[in-house]
Parts: sequence; C-alpha cells; structure tokens
Amino acid sequence: NAGVTQTPKFQVLKTGQSMTLQCAQDMNHEYMSWYRQDPGMGLRLIHYSVGAGITDQGEVPNGYNVSRSTTEDFPLRLLSAAPSQTSVYFCASGRGYEQYFGPGTRLTVT
Amino acid sequence: AQKVTQAQTEISVVEKEDVTLDCVYETRDTTYYLFWYKQPPSGELVFLIRRNSFDEQNEISGRYSWNFQKSTSSFNFTITASQVVDSAVYFCALSESPHSGNTPLVFGKGTRLSVIA
Repeated sequence: NAGVTQTPKFQVLKTGQSMTLQCAQDMNHEYMSWYRQDPGMGLRLIHYSVGAGITDQGEVPNGYNVSRSTTEDFPLRLLSAAPSQTSVYFCASGRGYEQYFGPGTRLTVT
Repeated sequence: AQKVTQAQTEISVVEKEDVTLDCVYETRDTTYYLFWYKQPPSGELVFLIRRNSFDEQNEISGRYSWNFQKSTSSFNFTITASQVVDSAVYFCALSESPHSGNTPLVFGKGTRLSVIA
C-alpha cells in the first residue's frame, strides 16, 4: 500500500512549456484534490474530483487542467507554464473525513 | 464562506518552553471538521488531529494538546515543553458540510514555529 504518490519530486520548466504532474493512490478513494503551497499563503485548492469522470474547480484553477479517467489517477496539467506557477504542489485523496497527502512536487518556472 | 485565520506568522521559543498556536475559523455550517497538520523542514504534511464540531472535549496526546471552543470559533494547539524537533510550519484547516465526506480542506496560512536549543 503506497498511499498517495506524486511524480516528479522536482521539476524546472521554462515559461510557456507544458507538463503534467502525476498523482496516484491505491486506497480506492473517490475523492482526490490538488493544492498549491506558496510562502505565506498556506495551501490553496486548485481542482478536485469526487469520482472518475467528475472534476470541479477550487480557489485557484486558472492555468491548470485536470481529468479523472480512473479512480486511481488524478493528473494536473499545466498548459503553458508561467513564473507565477512556481510553487509546491500537493495531491491528496480521502475517504470521509480523512485526507492523505502525497509528498509534494516542487515546480520552478523560469 | 469558510475561512481559517492563523494570526501568528512566526513564533520563536526556547526549548522546554510551552507554546500555543492560535487558529480562528469562520463557517456557516453547524457540522464541520477542524484539523491540524505539521509540515517539518522535509516538506511533507503530517496529520496531527481531526475534531468534529460536535465534540468540544479538549484532547491531549503526549506533549500536544488542543483546545476547541465553539463560542469563540477557535481551535488552538499547545505544545508543552517544546523540543527542537517541533520546529515546523503548522497548519490549521477546516472542512465544511462533510455529510458526503468529500469536501475540500480550507487551510490557514500557517504558523512557522522555531524552537531554539
């Protein structure tokens, strides 16, 4: 049981590049979400999903795209990276009132 | 709208001192959950406690204790006899309307605690 896994751990992008942050869980959770963490801002919700085929926007969705084709995976896509997207990204999955966080991906956009 | 406020941005204490981290929340729901997470320098998020809105009992776990007061919408966290290993960023979070169990967490901005030897 690996819990919530995220890849890559670190990534450097140039402005305008696209990439996908991967998130997977093996706990059969319906609910998954993505947060970004910026200094002094806490964690802010980007997108979330309550099950395969269902996604919704959070507080800061602009510039990000998600899809949920399986229960296990919830990838986050940056379509055209911008320096403002430099952040640490956390994926979480949960059941009920427990949420399990992945180890995070540190993304730098130059 | 839901909101979590951690007014203390940074706290510095000397080892063995007690320290309290404040958390004030806003919600229109009568049913909600409150959480505390620890983020050590290694960066992962460590779950510390969850408390539902109907349970106002204080909780103690070793050197950690939590004081939940609905009357003041506060959920404060106290570390007794602090240690250097307690140095971390601590986040308070709120989850509203958890009937389906599938609701996002709203986080405070965090309090950075530094414990000096």
